[in-house]
Amino acid sequence: EVQLVESGGGLVQPGGSLRLSCAASGFPFSSSSMHWVRQAPGKGLVWVSHIDSDGSSTLYADSVRDRFTVSRDNAKNTLYLQVDSLRAEDTAMYYCARYYNGAPDYWGQGTLVTVSS
Amino acid sequence: DIVMTQTPLSSPVTLGQPASISCRSSQNLVHSDGNTYLSWLQQRPGQPPRLLIYKISNRFSGVPDRFSGSGAGTDFTLKISRVEAEDVGVYYCMQATQFPPTFGRGTKVEIK
Repeated sequence: EVQLVESGGGLVQPGGSLRLSCAASGFPFSSSSMHWVRQAPGKGLVWVSHIDSDGSSTLYADSVRDRFTVSRDNAKNTLYLQVDSLRAEDTAMYYCARYYNGAPDYWGQGTLVTVSS
Repeated sequence: DIVMTQTPLSSPVTLGQPASISCRSSQNLVHSDGNTYLSWLQQRPGQPPRLLIYKISNRFSGVPDRFSGSGAGTDFTLKISRVEAEDVGVYYCMQATQFPPTFGRGTKVEIK
């Protein structure tokens, strides 16, 4: 059974940092590209970042470039998103998803990041 | 960025009746590799998104055959042949042909 389990979210002050994790199981993680997608409360889905299977290529939305860093540890079957210089508008549920056949096919339950003073 | 426009934004439907959602992209979604990376996702209340359809018309594993996708170029449609209570939620189209991937605003399907 495919599982993606996010963790690391929480309440953080503006300008703060968090490290989000996504533990994967049930599929060949080391050969899978992965996405991060976020959803502000009551709003729609917004793509955040993408990393290819070996971590050699990463992509970011303009709104998070230079503040967020995606990485992975294939030995630990874990995806990460380092989120720095957080702003109120970064408040959202953050989902990791596997990317296959041009689509995000499996999703985690999400981890909530709240940026507030 | 490619803009994905969904209509309607809300769709009240009667159980057992069909429903249809339209998605229009601001640019042609045919990739240079010949594929069209247009997907449909369902998000039930309080749940993460779930992939229903990929590459216009391919149903993902476990998706009931009452869901179907069609279209080409810039115009795409998701159809539910007979709406069931478990189909309530928000439906999103998404393109991954061109970076960055973009989503439609979502269509809320609810029971009349």
